[in-house]
Amino acid sequence: GAGVSQTPSNKVTEKGKYVELRCDPISGHTALYWYRQSLGQGPEFLIYFQGTGAADDSGLPNDRFFAVRPEGSVSTLKIQRTERGDSAVYLCASSPSGRADEQYFGPGTRLTVT
Amino acid sequence: AQRVTQPEKLLSVFKGAPVELKCNYSYSGSPELFWYVQYSRQRLQLLLRHISRESIKGFTADLNKGETSFHLKKPFAQEEDSAMYYCALRTGGYNKLIFGAGTRLAVHP
Repeated sequence: GAGVSQTPSNKVTEKGKYVELRCDPISGHTALYWYRQSLGQGPEFLIYFQGTGAADDSGLPNDRFFAVRPEGSVSTLKIQRTERGDSAVYLCASSPSGRADEQYFGPGTRLTVT
Repeated sequence: AQRVTQPEKLLSVFKGAPVELKCNYSYSGSPELFWYVQYSRQRLQLLLRHISRESIKGFTADLNKGETSFHLKKPFAQEEDSAMYYCALRTGGYNKLIFGAGTRLAVHP
């Protein structure tokens, strides 16, 4: 079946602009995760959804970052007033309910803030 | 604080040589450890988890709680093993994964 998909694959924006990154999880997966991967680093946890609610948003770096999952499927990561330091690959993963040990990752969105 | 350390950024070996990618973690409770792999132009994917105690593509990893390590081993490396390898930790009660910085394995013919 189809895996996790993310759009766009690449996004270039100017400092101070607003961006939205989209994630389509595997059908039937109730858990969804966002990670950020900076150059030369491993993925860093941002937020975890169980269904429609954010069960753990402890990784969001500041209040410029926000994520939603209104219908328990597609999720959008929103970044306001982007800064050059936000440049990274943003990864989405999904897993079946109760199986956080089975996270399936998407291809990522490469965000570049100029 | 929970942390995963992969001390080598690059590990370069010849085909047929043994491979050991090091991973150490810091966590005082009962951890779950994983190895993820990312081949060139592919997405991150799970290679193996310590709970399964399985061998995948000839790779094995043993959790050593005394040394807080979860090193990945393969007796005879193949060129197709060339990839980025990430060690990850999941701590009790939480669903997030904590990743190390990764080790690039380069297997030369």
